[in-house]
Amino acid sequence: DIVLTQAPLSVSVTPGESASISCRSSKSLLSSKGITSLYWYLQRPGKSPQLLIYQMSNLASGVPDRFSSSGSETDFTLKISKVETEDVGVYYCGHRLEYPWTFGGGTKLELK
Amino acid sequence: EVQLVESGGGLVQPGRSLKLSCAASGFTFSNYYMAWVRQAPKKGLEWVATISTSGSRTYYPDSVKGRFTISRDNAKSSLYLQMNSLKSEDTATYYCARAPLFDYWGQGVMVTVSS
Repeated sequence: DIVLTQAPLSVSVTPGESASISCRSSKSLLSSKGITSLYWYLQRPGKSPQLLIYQMSNLASGVPDRFSSSGSETDFTLKISKVETEDVGVYYCGHRLEYPWTFGGGTKLELK
Repeated sequence: EVQLVESGGGLVQPGRSLKLSCAASGFTFSNYYMAWVRQAPKKGLEWVATISTSGSRTYYPDSVKGRFTISRDNAKSSLYLQMNSLKSEDTATYYCARAPLFDYWGQGVMVTVSS
């Protein structure tokens, strides 16, 4: 199974500042079709998860462009610029390269 | 507007069965793979099952394989999860989600397995 390791476990950010979250995969997530199968989700407190980023770097519909993602075949970074109150929650990376689909353990973002 | 609404959760004894449902609306249900994802209390996300558009192909992680069955009724735009031989470790909130992006999620339904 592909293991996704997120770091840090939690991050505390001053509103208006930037935050970065790392996701490392135990296997290359580059598919034979040239698509990097890495996704980012945000789960706000008490809510269902929502898609932020798909295929490593594509912003999901309705997601503000303060969110961006980049990476290689195994190392990925979600960057949130100008953090706002609504960004508080737990961030998860996930893959769809092969079954079983797996998620990272999550990174909790809170405000200072 | 896309909506996914789960139902069927509750308290069940270990070893017993439970069937979850997910009613979909706002999109052409039969065009999409669908999935179930669960979240144990205070824990992370765990993928549970995926079904193809026609229902002919299903996929499960080892943790539920042989005990859980995902199915769908495209005429009713509905997704199901039959859970048998339930264990305490199956206690979680279960979400249905549109696959493979998981771009839409339901509100979740709680399943508690306890005697």
